Amino acid sequence: DQQVKQNSPSLSVQEGRISILNCDYTNSMFDYFLWYKKYPAEGPTFLISISSIKDKNEDGRFTVFLNKSAKHLSLHIVPSQPGDSAVYFCAASAGNFNKFYFGSGTKLNVKP
Amino acid sequence: DAGVIQSPRHEVTEMGQEVTLRCKPISGHDYLFWYRQTMMRGLELLIYFNNNVPIDDSGMPEDRFSAKMPNASFSTLKIQPSEPRDSAVYFCASSRRQGVNTEAFFGQGTRLTVV
Repeated sequence: DQQVKQNSPSLSVQEGRISILNCDYTNSMFDYFLWYKKYPAEGPTFLISISSIKDKNEDGRFTVFLNKSAKHLSLHIVPSQPGDSAVYFCAASAGNFNKFYFGSGTKLNVKP
Repeated sequence: DAGVIQSPRHEVTEMGQEVTLRCKPISGHDYLFWYRQTMMRGLELLIYFNNNVPIDDSGMPEDRFSAKMPNASFSTLKIQPSEPRDSAVYFCASSRRQGVNTEAFFGQGTRLTVV
């Protein structure tokens, strides 16, 4: 049973607009969350993270929001660029920061 | 640093054959992970090591799968005998010791096809 779920397998957005990728989790013990980005034929690369003591973390064009009561997090990319086209994975861990549970990924396509 | 290095990048093998995937973690990283990526389940954690010792292998699907880490700079994931349903991309990742803001660094993966 997957503890981290990304229910949208794909998302298409126009360049310059906002991309919103969503992630839900079931384990209330999760207290650290990450987003990874993956290009074809490459391994996932770390993008941004958030601790459960926060509800928002921002890094340039990327912002992650955490709603603990809803067990939901989202990644906002503003403005979206064609180079952002990739598969985005959300991941979570509980206590032991090194055991991460990943979602199934959302493929983002940013159209020029 | 060259990052996490995996070999081979691609492997095609016949059902029943033994397959060995290799990984060299980033120097100085204490944790090593093996993940498998499939369309249905995304990235699944198979096993992870801390200081060369297996900590959690609950994700290893069957006894056909085994992993070793004989030293800090090398790990293998072996499948014997291989089956078509093992076809997937296998990733190795490493990270520093446990702590806040720790993330895992992934290799480029090995695409395994069992025919």
